[in-house]
Amino acid sequence: GQQLNQSPQSMFIQEGEDVSMNCTSSSIFNTWLWYKQDPGEGPVLLIALYKAGELTSNGRLTAQFGITRKDSFLNISASIPSDVGIYFCAGPANFGNEKLTFGTGTRLTIIP
Amino acid sequence: DTAVSQTPKYLVTQMGNDKSIKCEQNLGHDTMYWYKQDSKKFLKIMFSYNNKELIINETVPNRFSPKSPDKAHLNLHINSLELGDSAVYFCASSRSNKLFFGSGTQLSVL
Repeated sequence: GQQLNQSPQSMFIQEGEDVSMNCTSSSIFNTWLWYKQDPGEGPVLLIALYKAGELTSNGRLTAQFGITRKDSFLNISASIPSDVGIYFCAGPANFGNEKLTFGTGTRLTIIP
Repeated sequence: DTAVSQTPKYLVTQMGNDKSIKCEQNLGHDTMYWYKQDSKKFLKIMFSYNNKELIINETVPNRFSPKSPDKAHLNLHINSLELGDSAVYFCASSRSNKLFFGSGTQLSVL
């Protein structure tokens, strides 16, 4: 089956720093989604990407759909304490399929 | 006003028991799911229902039986619970590949 690998697995940063993480797939995706999971909650959709090369922002978050369609990137600028959580990439398993495969996750921790 | 709500939030039970988790969504979506998140935070789909019909069953043991009385509800019943069933179970609903998750049910089997 398809695998989505995220890196880094975890990040420890100071408040105010910028964050970059990525997600790579073993096969081509037509849609990339980025989710954030707060402790004790379910994942919440942050950004959706639908075209290769697309760059989309949501406040301090910016995500890009890689040109090869096998990767995606998420950047967070000027991190704040509420950015703490686990970030997941996700994509449909097959074209036109509503079954989402989730990445392995990147855990973001902010050091006081 | 919660969009996807599931109960209970926590479930602690003994091996061998039978338990149910309930899920309801008020988003008007046709498709609902159950996902399992293990201790390493991997999220894996278990089932998907579209308008009360099962469309995805990801090789889940038949001790797990989803039931969808209507398109706004998808409950999960688990028979003969095993230690390895301990995890967080998320209900979700979707439109156009965008999933909306409940807050999860943390199941601990002792």
